[in-house]
Amino acid sequence: AQSVTQPDIHITVSEGASLELRCNYSYGATPYLFWYVQSPGQGLQLLLKYFSGDTLVQGIKGFEAEFKRSQSSFNLRKPSVHWSDAAEYFCAVGAGNGGSQGNLIFGKGTKLSVKP
Amino acid sequence: KAGVTQTPRYLIKTRGQQVTLSCSPISGHRSVSWYQQTPGQGLQFLFEYFSETQRNKGNFPGRFSGRQFSNSRSEMNVSTLELGDSALYLCATSRTGGFYEQYFGPGTRLTVT
Repeated sequence: AQSVTQPDIHITVSEGASLELRCNYSYGATPYLFWYVQSPGQGLQLLLKYFSGDTLVQGIKGFEAEFKRSQSSFNLRKPSVHWSDAAEYFCAVGAGNGGSQGNLIFGKGTKLSVKP
Repeated sequence: KAGVTQTPRYLIKTRGQQVTLSCSPISGHRSVSWYQQTPGQGLQFLFEYFSETQRNKGNFPGRFSGRQFSNSRSEMNVSTLELGDSALYLCATSRTGGFYEQYFGPGTRLTVT
């Protein structure tokens, strides 16, 4: 069965420092991978997605992620964190009979705190 | 353009009652998916409706049901509420359905006492 693991429940980084959030997936075929962010009291906002092609994908708000098939990973990175990045981040894999009839399977999330 | 709207935003119910939540999609979006978010289980897929038909369903008991109207608005219903149904219920909408380009609403926070 498909699954997504985010090993870090909570991460604290200093403002201006770099960030890497880890995500590992289990999926038999070529995965469709996503990173979402959720601020308190808000829904989920899509940061970036990977379907195929270049394994380094750029997203919004200065985030990027790299797909590594050999490691079954899709880690999210940002070179310099801003206080406004404090939120919860979810990695997800698209599962099902093709994208138009599939659903997202989410990891448990990583909560990011930013120190001034 | 207007985003995904969910009503009500907050709800308190008693065990055994039933509840109906509403989701209005972005204009032009024909698919509505529902997800349950709890601290213990995380985000879990409930079901998806596309053009008034349930197209995909997660692993939830029959107490959870939904429907979609001709204007693409969707409702989900939970009958015989249990304490464990306390959660944030999120809907996500898209033009084509599935997971390709989903836009999430702010959610409805349901508390069962």
